[in-house]
Amino acid sequence: NAGVMQNPRHLVRRRGQEARLRCSPMKGHSHVYWYRQLPEEGLKFMVYLQKENIIDESGMPKERFSAEFPKEGPSILRIQQVVRGDSAAYFCASSFVGGAGNEQFFGPGTRLTVL
Amino acid sequence: AQSVTQLDSQVPVFEEAPVELRCNYSSSVSVYLFWYVQYPNQGLQLLLKYLSGSTLVKGINGFEAEFNKSQTSFHLRKPSVHISDTAEYFCAVSNFGNEKLTFGTGTRLTIIP
Repeated sequence: NAGVMQNPRHLVRRRGQEARLRCSPMKGHSHVYWYRQLPEEGLKFMVYLQKENIIDESGMPKERFSAEFPKEGPSILRIQQVVRGDSAAYFCASSFVGGAGNEQFFGPGTRLTVL
Repeated sequence: AQSVTQLDSQVPVFEEAPVELRCNYSSSVSVYLFWYVQYPNQGLQLLLKYLSGSTLVKGINGFEAEFNKSQTSFHLRKPSVHISDTAEYFCAVSNFGNEKLTFGTGTRLTIIP
């Protein structure tokens, strides 16, 4: 049973370009979470999605960032017009059911570097 | 709002010695508590979690943690560490009705041979 998959593992973009990060949850999981880890910091929650629905986006920056989890295919975190401050590791997690206390399984992360 | 404090950013420990990694939290409502481990260039793996019931929680790899409501703490312990325990350890909290995890800044555990 494959775990949470994220691609690419490493992504380099120049300022002003777009970054698309993909996350395939574990088989049977319909809840996806995105977190960002800045250097020397803990993970910060960004967004929580179920299939075709954004449940909680309280951690998403107001501009340039968007997320989706379509009925078919992976969840996508999209960052438009990237800036150097977007350089970070972005982790996706999935769970079988929602609800606080349920284990979130994490992917290996995508490390974004903005030149 | 909830928050998690991990006071020790780095903890060096000799192999086979005991270790305690400290975690304190702040929340106005009942919480669920977690410890995750992150090995270099990998995602996070759940070590253990406290939801309710017994305050002493046992996890994988010989780790355990004790929930102390009066001190708002959830310290992680292991009686004898191994080289393979070298990693970053994150304490996290969530609460009822709110699925998102709030993480501490992490503690880097280094095992000295």
